[in-house]
Amino acid sequence: EAGVAQSPRYKIIEKRQSVAFWCNPISGHATLYWYQQILGQGPKLLIQFQNNGVVDDSQLPKDRFSAERLKGVDSTLKIQPAKLEDSAVYLCASSLVLSWGRPVGAKNIQYFGAGTRLSVL
Amino acid sequence: TQLLEQSPQFLSIQEGENLTVYCNSSSVFSSLQWYRQEPGEGPVLLVTVVTGGEVKKLKRLTFQFGDARKDSSLHITAAQPGDTGLYLCAGSFGNEKLTFGTGTRLTIIP
Repeated sequence: EAGVAQSPRYKIIEKRQSVAFWCNPISGHATLYWYQQILGQGPKLLIQFQNNGVVDDSQLPKDRFSAERLKGVDSTLKIQPAKLEDSAVYLCASSLVLSWGRPVGAKNIQYFGAGTRLSVL
Repeated sequence: TQLLEQSPQFLSIQEGENLTVYCNSSSVFSSLQWYRQEPGEGPVLLVTVVTGGEVKKLKRLTFQFGDARKDSSLHITAAQPGDTGLYLCAGSFGNEKLTFGTGTRLTIIP
């Protein structure tokens, strides 16, 4: 079974430029997550989709970040304009179902992609 | 903000030694997960603990959930170079959202 695919693997841009990341989740997974992982820290959830609807975007800096999952499969995360502090690894994860407080089981385990490493100069 | 603190932040030990890393919070977890992340890869789930006092073993790795469900530990016996990586705990506090700790970067020296 193919894992979560992300592209590009690396991206270097100058501040104030725009950038987009792409994620293809595991086939059949309804829930998709975007995380930001700054060097030396754990991942921080940016946005969570259930099919093509947003479940949680409370930690997404909406003045510059946007994300969409139009057909409930692939997703894109965009930053416009980028700032120096946006330098990080952007991880995409997917799970079969949304847990909504249910005990964690095989169906709501999150599987992560390898991430996109963004450097803003 | 629910904060998960992991300690130590960095750990470098010789192959064959034992080690323990910790994950602590002031809040009660509904469940807690441990992940390992290797350079250039995403985190990979190792284990999930749900019940206070629960102990789970995965080969040389032993995971323990505190009785009060506020803390957890990961013990590795006879560490091997393949154990090198970033160990992350992640907790759920009654909803499905995972909150990750800051991680412990482990290096096993051959």
